[in-house]
Amino acid sequence: GEDVEQSLFLSVREGDSSVINCTYTDSSSTYLYWYKQEPGAGLQLLTYIFSNMDMKQDQRLTVLLNKKDKHLSLRIADTQTGDSAIYFCAEKGNSGAGSYQLTFGKGTKLSVIP
Amino acid sequence: DAGVIQSPRHEVTEMGQEVTLRCKPISGHDYLFWYRQTMMRGLELLIYFNNNVPIDDSGMPEDRFSAKMPNASFSTLKIQPSEPRDSAVYFCASSGPGTGMDEQYFGPGTRLTVT
Repeated sequence: GEDVEQSLFLSVREGDSSVINCTYTDSSSTYLYWYKQEPGAGLQLLTYIFSNMDMKQDQRLTVLLNKKDKHLSLRIADTQTGDSAIYFCAEKGNSGAGSYQLTFGKGTKLSVIP
Repeated sequence: DAGVIQSPRHEVTEMGQEVTLRCKPISGHDYLFWYRQTMMRGLELLIYFNNNVPIDDSGMPEDRFSAKMPNASFSTLKIQPSEPRDSAVYFCASSGPGTGMDEQYFGPGTRLTVT
């Protein structure tokens, strides 16, 4: 079945850039997402990218997609302490059945050092 | 809309007791998902429904777990009997037409502790 892999931990200094990486196996992915989970809360959609795009920028966030290598990354510029959270990569396949099912990675815990 | 609503937010119970977790999806969403999150295993999909019908329950760990969706606005996840290894945060999420990018909306979760 589909699989999504991401590193479990990342630590950066406040003001630096953070890059969180993700690889996936489903070549028919249509959408890829980044969710953010703050302590004690549920997951919230942070940003997404459609599979026919290479890059998407939204303020401090830059999403890069290398479809050939099935590699997705999230770059957070000028990382702040409020960015400390768990970041989940997720992908949506192109299957008719379960069309709203997403496959999630295990999450990357980002720690921002003041 | 109030978003996905889960209750209770915290549940502490003793081993062997029955536990029922509740979820109200966003109105108009026809997909509902139950997830479990632990430090060791991360986020796991347990079961999901479409139009109140269970579509895939292959993630349900064992027969002690059961889920129902009697109508479009309510779902339950039941554990009977509960065991300490069931301690986790359980999330409900919903999705469906009109979500824009087919994303899932998550509830705040129920933190279950089985002693």
